[in-house]
Amino acid sequence: ETGVTQSPTHLIKTRGQQVTLRCSSQSGHNTVSWYQQALGQGPQFIFQYYREEENGRGNFPPRFSGLQFPNYSSELNVNALELDDSALYLCASSTRDGIKEQYFGPGTRLTVT
Amino acid sequence: GDSVTQMEGPVTLSEEAFLTINCTYTATGYPSLFWYVQYPGEGLQLLLKATKADDKGSNKGFEATYRKETTSFHLEKGSVQVSDSAVYFCALSPPLAGGTSYGKLTFGQGTILTVHP
Repeated sequence: ETGVTQSPTHLIKTRGQQVTLRCSSQSGHNTVSWYQQALGQGPQFIFQYYREEENGRGNFPPRFSGLQFPNYSSELNVNALELDDSALYLCASSTRDGIKEQYFGPGTRLTVT
Repeated sequence: GDSVTQMEGPVTLSEEAFLTINCTYTATGYPSLFWYVQYPGEGLQLLLKATKADDKGSNKGFEATYRKETTSFHLEKGSVQVSDSAVYFCALSPPLAGGTSYGKLTFGQGTILTVHP
């Protein structure tokens, strides 16, 4: 069974640029959630995708957007990057019925300069 | 809104010492409660969970009891090992099925645990 994978592992972007992060959910999982973890803080919920539609969103501006594909993989897109967007971005997958048991990937470390 | 508060860290212990990490929460109804662990350079791993009042979650020698009356979910381990060194997060998930908060995890700020030989 393949776990949750994310790519890339690290990346560095300049303020104002756009970035796309990718997540492959665990086999059999159809729900994906994204979290932002700033240094020294707990993860903050960005949004969740189910059946290729956004199904719940945290307190993040519209420049944070996402997609879910028919194979349940997902992308997180961030436009007009700001310095405060520097963080570890975590993807978590689950089944819909087992949504309370989410499995996290290793994360993508984004640095905005 | 929902919130989770963890004890201030970091926590430094000697091997075989007793561990307690306090966690309290604010939420409506009966949320599910979780402890996650994050090892250096890795994502989060679910350590244990409890879905209703008085439930005790346990795994790898760690345990926590869901206390509705004190809105707490303190993590304990009787004898820690060096390999337990990590960051521990308490989290909750609301009880609603469906709706915009479905499956959303709210985390505490994390507690760094360092165990010395």
